[in-house]
Amino acid sequence: AQSVTQLGSHVSVSEGALVLLRCNYSSSVPPYLFWYVQYPNQGLQLLLKYTSAATLVKGINGFEAEFKKSETSFHLTKPSAHMSDAAEYFCSAGGTSYGKLTFGQGTILTVHP
Amino acid sequence: DAGVIQSPRHEVTEMGQEVTLRCKPISGHDYLFWYRQTMMRGLELLIYFNNNVPIDDSGMPEDRFSAKMPNASFSTLKIQPSEPRDSAVYFCASSFTSVNPTDTQYFGPGTRLTVL
Repeated sequence: AQSVTQLGSHVSVSEGALVLLRCNYSSSVPPYLFWYVQYPNQGLQLLLKYTSAATLVKGINGFEAEFKKSETSFHLTKPSAHMSDAAEYFCSAGGTSYGKLTFGQGTILTVHP
Repeated sequence: DAGVIQSPRHEVTEMGQEVTLRCKPISGHDYLFWYRQTMMRGLELLIYFNNNVPIDDSGMPEDRFSAKMPNASFSTLKIQPSEPRDSAVYFCASSFTSVNPTDTQYFGPGTRLTVL
């Protein structure tokens, strides 16, 4: 069964610092990978997705993620954190069971002034 | 488009009562998903439908939970009888995934259920 692991349930950065949220997946089948963001008291919304085209994927709000097959990773980055980036971020994988996504446990990002 | 609509947004009930959560997916979407989110277990897929037909209900915790999709624009998740451990945020999501499994799932705002 496919699984998604997010390293670090909480990440804290200063405003303007680099954001790095880690995600690893396990699958024998090339996956489709997603990053979602959840702001307080809201549903999840898509940040970006990897669909086996370019390995570097750009998303909304200045976020990007790089697919590295050799490392089975899909880490999310943003060069300069903003206060509005404070939220919970979920990595997810699909493609092995049509329509179904497997979600990681989530990483709460805190941004300090 | 109004997005995925869920009602109610908040529900407080007493143990043993029946609870019905409602979802209206985005028009034209053929997949509908019900998720549960708790601090302990994170985000769990409960059940999903394709063209109103349940495809996988292996995530439904027990027989107290049931879900229906009588038409393309409406789905319900029912808990009967409810228990305090059912307290969670329940999300509905929909997607248009005719042949492409990479299509995005769009989430509703969720229903926060508290069972006393």
